[in-house]
Amino acid sequence: SQTIHQWPATLVQPVGSPLSLECTVEGTSNPNLYWYRQAAGRGLQLLFYSVGIGQISSEVPQNLSASRPQDRQFILSSKKLLLSDSGFYLCAWSQGASSGNTIYFGEGSWLTVV
Amino acid sequence: DQQVKQNSPSLSVQEGRISILNCDYTNSMFDYFLWYKKYPAEGPTFLISISSIKDKNEDGRFTVFLNKSAKHLSLHIVPSQPGDSAVYFCAASVTDSWGKFQFGAGTQVVVTP
Repeated sequence: SQTIHQWPATLVQPVGSPLSLECTVEGTSNPNLYWYRQAAGRGLQLLFYSVGIGQISSEVPQNLSASRPQDRQFILSSKKLLLSDSGFYLCAWSQGASSGNTIYFGEGSWLTVV
Repeated sequence: DQQVKQNSPSLSVQEGRISILNCDYTNSMFDYFLWYKKYPAEGPTFLISISSIKDKNEDGRFTVFLNKSAKHLSLHIVPSQPGDSAVYFCAASVTDSWGKFQFGAGTQVVVTP
């Protein structure tokens, strides 16, 4: 069966420091991968998605970037964190190229920028 | 621009009764819909889906209804149990959009004894 893991689960970072959140999927190949952020009162916002190694699409302009160095690895990064980057970040995956495929989420990572 | 809306931020229901959660969308191109359940500090868990070729899908205690003309879907939970207390999100996507879903803001459900 497929599993998805992301880490770290929680982190507290000072403003201006770098960020790296990692996500891996097991039990499948060539998944679509996503980074979402949960903002208060706005549900889940799609930040990035990837349909293959090195292929990243950004949905919203922001201070963050994403990379996919391996088929089942997805990384969310920032060079300099802002206070507004605080939130709950979720990695997710789906199988297949078209809609009609459910997306499955990891455990989430709480980021507090201080 | 919020294309998927859950206008009830919270819902309280007695154990054993029916919970009805509502979701409205504005994009008529959406043709695949999901419901998720989320506990605090955890990732959302997939509950049930429905495609636009159906108007109802059932899985155990969970039933989702889709009214395309009204751009409205609802999730029924019967009977409600204490473990159902969580935040529920609806999500919608367009075919061939690479699984990019738009999410509602969520409805907090509290099941009381």
